[in-house]
Amino acid sequence: DSGVTQTPKHLITATGQRVTLRCSPRSGDLSVYWYQQSLDQGLQFLIQYYNGEERAKGNILERFSAQQFPDLHSELNLSSLELGDSALYFCASTPGGQGPFGEQFFGPGTRLTVL
Amino acid sequence: GNSVTQMEGPVTLSEEAFLTINCTYTATGYPSLFWYVQYPGEGLQLLLKATKADDKGSNKGFEATYRKETTSFHLEKGSVQVSDSAVYFCALSERWGSSNTGKLIFGQGTTLQVKP
Repeated sequence: DSGVTQTPKHLITATGQRVTLRCSPRSGDLSVYWYQQSLDQGLQFLIQYYNGEERAKGNILERFSAQQFPDLHSELNLSSLELGDSALYFCASTPGGQGPFGEQFFGPGTRLTVL
Repeated sequence: GNSVTQMEGPVTLSEEAFLTINCTYTATGYPSLFWYVQYPGEGLQLLLKATKADDKGSNKGFEATYRKETTSFHLEKGSVQVSDSAVYFCALSERWGSSNTGKLIFGQGTTLQVKP
């Protein structure tokens, strides 16, 4: 158990809908990263937050957004969903800005299925 | 930009066979290197890490050495078990700094299947 929690575990929805994925980092970790894992694109970095502020963006669509709250949990919002958004979404956390050796601790993921 | 390339799978081995999964990387500076493992239906778990050239990471019988001269971080295990069946990801972490975020860049993953 990494100490990172994600909810829900599974999400099934329809095209055009909006969903919110939630991540609680390990206790004390300030930085949260979101990744998308899909069959065609592999594991890709989406966005990073550090202590409530957005720090970096990766291959994140404009339909997607995220935020980190004062209690450090983070939410990833996906809107106008398309079939191609079906994927496994992971969050990871690190202590401070980066782990001592750069390692990240991953949650179990949320599997999103868009029908 | 930074990238990681892994050997394509799937890799199918018999129990107690020797395992090598090749990983090479392209990076500026001095990244940290990692192997993560994903068991069926689960999230990513850190398997081992190395933070500088010639470092050897090891865990659960798996080893990998950070080779700067060949930009490689190959994963090895002397005797695999059925329970090692999983997807293995090689990754690098950009150093945290003003322009780097510490994000992980992953290879495409290699599926390992071990048969009894």
